Amino acid sequence: QAGLTQPPSVSKGLRQTATLTCTGNSNNVGNQGAAWLQQHRGHPPKLLSYRNNNRPSGISERLSASRSGNTASLTITGLQPEDEADYYCSAWDSSLSVWVFGGGTKLTVL
Amino acid sequence: EVQLLESGGGLVQPGGSLRLSCAASGFTFNNYAMGWVRQAPGRGLEWVSSISGSGRDTFYADSVKGRFTISRDNFKNTLYLQMNSLRAEDTAEYYCTKDSGSYDYWGQGTLVTVST
Repeated sequence: QAGLTQPPSVSKGLRQTATLTCTGNSNNVGNQGAAWLQQHRGHPPKLLSYRNNNRPSGISERLSASRSGNTASLTITGLQPEDEADYYCSAWDSSLSVWVFGGGTKLTVL
Repeated sequence: EVQLLESGGGLVQPGGSLRLSCAASGFTFNNYAMGWVRQAPGRGLEWVSSISGSGRDTFYADSVKGRFTISRDNFKNTLYLQMNSLRAEDTAEYYCTKDSGSYDYWGQGTLVTVST
């Protein structure tokens, strides 16, 4: 079961904007949209957005998600030290009836 | 407040079995699908299995199909994962997740180590 494709790492400066990408296919990201999760070392993942740009309560407005075709994106503006974490995308694959995850992107805030 | 509390992890020899449990509270358990996601040390997230709210429909990753069984007790608000024929590559932190169309709540995880 092939996963979603994410760049392994992204580095940006403090207060800059980072855009993370996640590429799938028409059966997962292109069909159901993607969810984004944040994971700090030693902690469980935390949902940041679902179905492309719906934010759970309590999630910062500095985060926004979008989708274009089979690629989902997560944009974080005004980067803060606490944004440094691993970010994962996930989607339901309607053809395979499985959840698929991206390999994760390590975001470093310089 | 939604809470998911996993238990049952530990050290097991290759070929052995373990049963993970996840006690859920703070939401109407039988209204939601649930899932298990694992994370090997230093690696990314890997979906393991999902089950519908009624328990009628189950889904598995190819890597565990035929060895793991997901189930739930909607009277006890508890999710289970029976793991048989364990292999070294099953070593991971196992997370219980609530599925509302995406995995919106996660437990703290329980560590499974498969080793001699």
